[in-house]
Amino acid sequence: EADIYQTPRYLVIGTGKKITLECSQTMGHDKMYWYQQDPGMELHLIHYSYGVNSTEKGDLSSESTVSRIRTEHFPLTLESARPSHTSQYLCASSDLGQDYGYTFGSGTRLTVV
Amino acid sequence: QKEVEQNSGPLSVPEGAIASLNCTYSDRGSQSFFWYRQYSGKSPELIMFIYSNGDKEDGRFTAQLNKASQYVSLLIRDSQPSDSATYLCAVKVDGGSQGNLIFGKGTKLSVKP
Repeated sequence: EADIYQTPRYLVIGTGKKITLECSQTMGHDKMYWYQQDPGMELHLIHYSYGVNSTEKGDLSSESTVSRIRTEHFPLTLESARPSHTSQYLCASSDLGQDYGYTFGSGTRLTVV
Repeated sequence: QKEVEQNSGPLSVPEGAIASLNCTYSDRGSQSFFWYRQYSGKSPELIMFIYSNGDKEDGRFTAQLNKASQYVSLLIRDSQPSDSATYLCAVKVDGGSQGNLIFGKGTKLSVKP
């Protein structure tokens, strides 16, 4: 049973639209992450957070922004979607106090037309 | 640059055989090592983690770590077609629980009936 939830699962949206991808976890994890992954390709870290009011940029430059107002919630926003943003977006979380790796959500597959 | 290297494959093995997946990492200070399985179109799921040199067994899976050689491997015994997936090696390169995981590009495994 997944304890980290992403919505929507699939999204097709027009160029120029503003979108927010939702991610919530019920495990009380401090750290949360957003990855971008194209089909058959590697994971790219785009944002992460150590906790409330903490956000950091990852290794891959991204036009998206994130916020962390509540521990359990880490939404990702694209102010103006472009076809180059078409990808799968994966949210993950981990516990700062335990070294058990990351738990991933089911992902949001975004298509910008 | 801290790197995690994997042979992209595909690695093809017959059903019932042992599949051997390999991973090397560049940072000698790495402390924690993880193997994730990712089915096509799905998100990664954690299958094994290992911290100490030697072998760690969990069912049909065995993780092997050799820090002197900066090498971690995953053995899958009695491979099944359902094991066909991409296997991601991940390494925590910064000390303590605050560090991020660095993911390899993954090895695609195909188990033929």
